[in-house]
Amino acid sequence: SYVLTQPPSVSVAPGQTARITCGVNNFGSKSVHWYQQKPGQAPVAVLFDDSDRPSGIPERFSGSNSGNTATLTITRVEAGDEADYYCQLSDINSNHLGMFGGGTKLTVL
Amino acid sequence: EVQLLESGGGLVQPGGSLRLSCSASGFTFSYYTMSWVRQAPGKGLEWVSAITGNGINTYYADSVKGRFTISRDNSKNTLYLQLSSLRADDTAVYFCAKGVTGHDHWGQGTLVTVSS
Repeated sequence: SYVLTQPPSVSVAPGQTARITCGVNNFGSKSVHWYQQKPGQAPVAVLFDDSDRPSGIPERFSGSNSGNTATLTITRVEAGDEADYYCQLSDINSNHLGMFGGGTKLTVL
Repeated sequence: EVQLLESGGGLVQPGGSLRLSCSASGFTFSYYTMSWVRQAPGKGLEWVSAITGNGINTYYADSVKGRFTISRDNSKNTLYLQLSSLRADDTAVYFCAKGVTGHDHWGQGTLVTVSS
């Protein structure tokens, strides 16, 4: 089982906004990283430390963290955004170093 | 351009051993902690192990502690993962990734299949 809790699936129509959550209740106020993984490919980082976009990631990808729940928001969703999304704990001092959430399948309807 | 290229995967019997390698280029390898992350077929990502840039400090997931050994050769820009006492549930694609967390670069992975 995963300590970082993600919904198994999220569905959204093209052009709408997708929100994928990552529950970090057991870790207090910890930040997370987010990855996108398409079938047969390696993961790609889309956000670091809750909200920092790596170069090349569109501004449509943004993030927030309320302290208990981190959220990846994708605005103006496109068919190419369909993928699995994973959060990862960023706390390098944790006993759960590197831990990932269980992943969320984003389906673009 | 940063490149990470894994090798060494294959079919191995339960209880067997295997050594994975990850050849790195495009960055100063010795400056960075490196990690291994695996993904069982149809499952999510699981962080496995990490090693600091100087090779002194190593970290392991509980699921592999005592069975897997991470190491590196900075003169060869290569990261290793020695897998021992392999079990069926170790079957996965093994990725090497730059950084201890917040991995900005990943390899394409190498498949390890544990089966008799």
